[in-house]
Amino acid sequence: KQEVTQIPAALSVPEGENLVLNCSFTDSAIYNLQWFRQDPGKGLTSLLLIQSSQREQTSGRLNASLDKSSGRSTLYIAASQPGDSATYLCGAGNMLTFGGGTRLMVKP
Amino acid sequence: DTGVSQNPRHKITKRGQNVTFRCDPISEHNRLYWYRQTLGQGPEFLTYFQNEAQLEKSRLLSDRFSAERPKGSFSTLEIQRTEQGDSAMYLCASSLSQGVPNTEAFFGQGTRLTVV
Repeated sequence: KQEVTQIPAALSVPEGENLVLNCSFTDSAIYNLQWFRQDPGKGLTSLLLIQSSQREQTSGRLNASLDKSSGRSTLYIAASQPGDSATYLCGAGNMLTFGGGTRLMVKP
Repeated sequence: DTGVSQNPRHKITKRGQNVTFRCDPISEHNRLYWYRQTLGQGPEFLTYFQNEAQLEKSRLLSDRFSAERPKGSFSTLEIQRTEQGDSAMYLCASSLSQGVPNTEAFFGQGTRLTVV
């Protein structure tokens, strides 16, 4: 059974900082891993999808890496902005299992 | 195609009543997932379909819960004899099957259930 853990659970940073969110998973037999953003009371918005054959994906200020052998993925956010404040979730595995998320607050 | 659509967006029901939610996936997507999310938690997997076949059900899905996807298009999630503990956001997502080049999953806006 796939288990996903995200660290830290919450993060508060001043605007402009670069930051790293961590995701670990127990079953490395995954086709892909996906990072999402969720604003309060809303559904999940896809940020990045990393296929199992890839090591990283980039979109704008976001960069996600995947290391299947160690069961880890990281989401790097460059030059954070207040608009990045949200909960970030990673989903992995055939049934898209989620961790508890990282609640990010970027202060102006 | 405007993405994954869920209806209703909000539902308030009295304890003991039955409720049904609907999810319309992206048209070419053959996989459809249901999740439940409570405040401050990540989405908990409930079940998923590949076309009309229900391939996996979580132990969270008690016998009061049933999901269908009769023609491999839209899906319904029914909760019978609702309890206050069923109050949550119910999320639906769709994707192509795993193992094809693009299996990105897309979520609807969710249905917020409140049991009073």
